[in-house]
Amino acid sequence: QKEVEQDPGPLSVPEGAIVSLNCTYSNSAFQYFMWYRQYSRKGPELLMYTYSSGNKEDGRFTAQVDKSSKYISLFIRDSQPSDSATYLCAMGNTDKLIFGTGTRLQVFP
Amino acid sequence: DSGVTQTPKHLITATGQRVTLRCSPRSGDLSVYWYQQSLDQGLQFLIHYYNGEERAKGNILERFSAQQFPDLHSELNLSSLELGDSALYFCASSGDQETQYFGPGTRLLVL
Repeated sequence: QKEVEQDPGPLSVPEGAIVSLNCTYSNSAFQYFMWYRQYSRKGPELLMYTYSSGNKEDGRFTAQVDKSSKYISLFIRDSQPSDSATYLCAMGNTDKLIFGTGTRLQVFP
Repeated sequence: DSGVTQTPKHLITATGQRVTLRCSPRSGDLSVYWYQQSLDQGLQFLIHYYNGEERAKGNILERFSAQQFPDLHSELNLSSLELGDSALYFCASSGDQETQYFGPGTRLLVL
């Protein structure tokens, strides 16, 4: 079993839709939880970062962590074509992060 | 722009050869992390250096080695290259050892 599981997609949604991206994990020692966005094989860009259970909001993005269920989510409201990218969840501690395989998202006009 | 720089952007070489990838972290960041991203494996953690000292190792092959210099830049050395080593290699830097900021990557093609 992988430490981090993420549905690879692809996920295709119309502009304006609410997108839900999810990851599950098995290691209860993970301290930090992050979401990165990666455009066509460029460097991953940090979107959201949290280290506690609950919700964190930043503009159209909301990150949710449920440590009891070992489940994290990223919600994108009012999705735009420019949101089309691969979204990577990541979790770990100060020494290293373990990444999910990424979910490809396409938002069509 | 994350502030992390990597050189070269592209590298084409032959099997059996040795290459060196270079990373300069964001100003003030003491931690450098190296990752390999291939189509079938996703983003794989290789190694973490903090202020010149190795802190953690991931799935790094014995043919690969890294170091971090006093000016905090880091180099990843890949030797006896095989076709399967073709991938994107990213470095990331961190100032708080929590949030990591990625460079643009080096695309390596082994022929």
